Amino acid sequence: SQQGEEDPQALSIQEGENATMNCSYKTSINNLQWYRQNSGRGLVHLILIRSNEREKHSGRLRVTLDTSKKSSSLLITASRAADTASYFCATDPFSGNTPLVFGKGTRLSVIA
Amino acid sequence: DAEITQSPRHKITETGRQVTLACHQTWNHNNMFWYRQDLGHGLRLIHYSYGVQDTNKGEVSDGYSVSRSNTEDLPLTLESAASSQTSVYFCASSEVAGGPYEQYFGPGTRLTVT
Repeated sequence: SQQGEEDPQALSIQEGENATMNCSYKTSINNLQWYRQNSGRGLVHLILIRSNEREKHSGRLRVTLDTSKKSSSLLITASRAADTASYFCATDPFSGNTPLVFGKGTRLSVIA
Repeated sequence: DAEITQSPRHKITETGRQVTLACHQTWNHNNMFWYRQDLGHGLRLIHYSYGVQDTNKGEVSDGYSVSRSNTEDLPLTLESAASSQTSVYFCASSEVAGGPYEQYFGPGTRLTVT
């Protein structure tokens, strides 16, 4: 079963607004990653945050991680129409040599 | 530039036929993965491999098989295609596990089983 669950499932905002997506997970992790998927394409890695980090920035992206609540958020600031895509969180489980576990994703629509 | 490719990009097949989807990566990554993506289910892991001759079952492995004879390729075989296997299939690769690593995804194969 999937560990990460994104919230909301879908989000529609105006260009220039900020977009926030959340991810909750169930077990201890080594790190958490966010991926982006444009329609009809494969996933592309955006950012990785380790379990001992609380916040990380990359350009217009800001990721936070709260291991006590087993949750993460992805903030996209000053969104653009080109940010329209699905966003997935993926957790790297702490237990053993196991693959990443992906959530179901949040579909973001940015309206120009 | 290194890349990961999948072929075919689109495939229509009949129920009961054997189908093989190809995945080829030039990253020289040891780890390779197959996922299926369906509306409402996100990405679900089918099989994965951590090196040549190594294969492991994922969450939804029934009806699928893989073999790893070299570093570059991990073909996915549907032994007897079923309509429930209509989906978009993604292959991915990553460096050796044991440290933080990201996965690189192929463009996907859209498979329709009629």
